[in-house]
Amino acid sequence: KQEVTQIPAALSVPEGENLVLNCSFTDSAIYNLQWFRQDPGKGLTSLLLIQSSQREQTSGRLNASLDKSSGRSTLYIAASQPGDSATYLCAVGRGYQKVTFGTGTKLQVIP
Amino acid sequence: EPEVTQTPSHQVTQMGQEVILRCVPISNHLYFYWYRQILGQKVEFLVSFYNNEISEKSEIFDDQFSVERPDGSNFTLKIRSTKLEDSAMYFCASRVWPNEKLFFGSGTQLSVL
Repeated sequence: KQEVTQIPAALSVPEGENLVLNCSFTDSAIYNLQWFRQDPGKGLTSLLLIQSSQREQTSGRLNASLDKSSGRSTLYIAASQPGDSATYLCAVGRGYQKVTFGTGTKLQVIP
Repeated sequence: EPEVTQTPSHQVTQMGQEVILRCVPISNHLYFYWYRQILGQKVEFLVSFYNNEISEKSEIFDDQFSVERPDGSNFTLKIRSTKLEDSAMYFCASRVWPNEKLFFGSGTQLSVL
């Protein structure tokens, strides 16, 4: 059974700081990994999708890496802003099957 | 960007009542999903649906739950007899192909009293 863990559970940083969120998964037989953002009481917004054959994906100030063999992914956020405050979720998937979500990291960026 | 649309945004019901949660997936998507999130907990998979049939379901998705795609655009989740523990945010999701990005709706907050 796939287990997905995210560390830290919560993070508070001053505006402008670069930060790294971690995601680990127990079963490396994945097809892809997706990072989402969730604002309080809202839906999930897709940030980045990394296919199992890829090492990283970038979108603006976000960069996600994947090391499938070690069961790890990181989300790097450059020059953090107060608007980045949200919960960040990683989710791993195998083809058409369900994706399994991590426990989430709640980020607060302090102005 | 195309969106997954869910209605209603909030639903309050009495224990034992039937509820239907509605979703309109993105039009060219072929794979549909329901997830739920109990307050303060992880997002949990309920069911996946492809080619007009369930392709996978979790242990949560018991006989009280059913899904339907009644026409070419809607995808519904029915809970036959709601329980207090069904109170959660329910998310619909869709994607065009198995290995592509999964898009989520904004959710329906279900409160069972």
